[in-house]
Amino acid sequence: EAQVTQNPRYLITVTGKKLTVTCSQNMNHEYMSWYRQDPGLGLRQIYYSMNVEVTDKGDVPEGYKVSRKEKRNFPLILESPSPNQTSLYFCASSFPNQPQHFGDGTRLSIL
Amino acid sequence: GENVEQHPSTLSVQEGDSAVIKCTYSDSASNYFPWYKQELGKGPQLIIDIRSNVGEKKDQRIAVTLNKTAKHFSLHITETQPEDSAVYFCAAYAGTALIFGKGTTLSVSS
Repeated sequence: EAQVTQNPRYLITVTGKKLTVTCSQNMNHEYMSWYRQDPGLGLRQIYYSMNVEVTDKGDVPEGYKVSRKEKRNFPLILESPSPNQTSLYFCASSFPNQPQHFGDGTRLSIL
Repeated sequence: GENVEQHPSTLSVQEGDSAVIKCTYSDSASNYFPWYKQELGKGPQLIIDIRSNVGEKKDQRIAVTLNKTAKHFSLHITETQPEDSAVYFCAAYAGTALIFGKGTTLSVSS
């Protein structure tokens, strides 16, 4: 089954404790992206990757890092999480200029 | 950069009525406009999309129209059903990024 898998689905952690949210897709898509969703603000892009070893900033990249060492994986790294990064996060993937497929989301709470 | 405005933010209709959600975009270079439906606890799912060389596209009860001159596009849902209740997002593809509207919460009451 074609899918985008995110882990964990839920995480409660504390300020400053490094965390990684993993994202994996099995559709051989070149393009992958991370979004955060906040009430009243819709979906905002954090980082995206056009292909392996190619990443670029989206609209709200501050406080986040990403890497794309393999085509299928695109982890989101929060080196020193802060409460304002409490949000619902989505990973998505697609072929270039094609519909994006979304994961089911990761709800992060940073205390 | 691209900016997408979506209206209304909430929409309540009776079962069987039609629902219309409207979006405007700012970047005339945008050429791809998908619509996503998000149900509670799930990620957004594509329901219909349209490219800039087409004015209208229909898929059963769902249709999308695009006016490139005015830079706006709309989602039309006919004969609404309770299972249509969800959050709907429009988006515009601007080169490398998909820019989303802020969403419309559609409630269909039976």
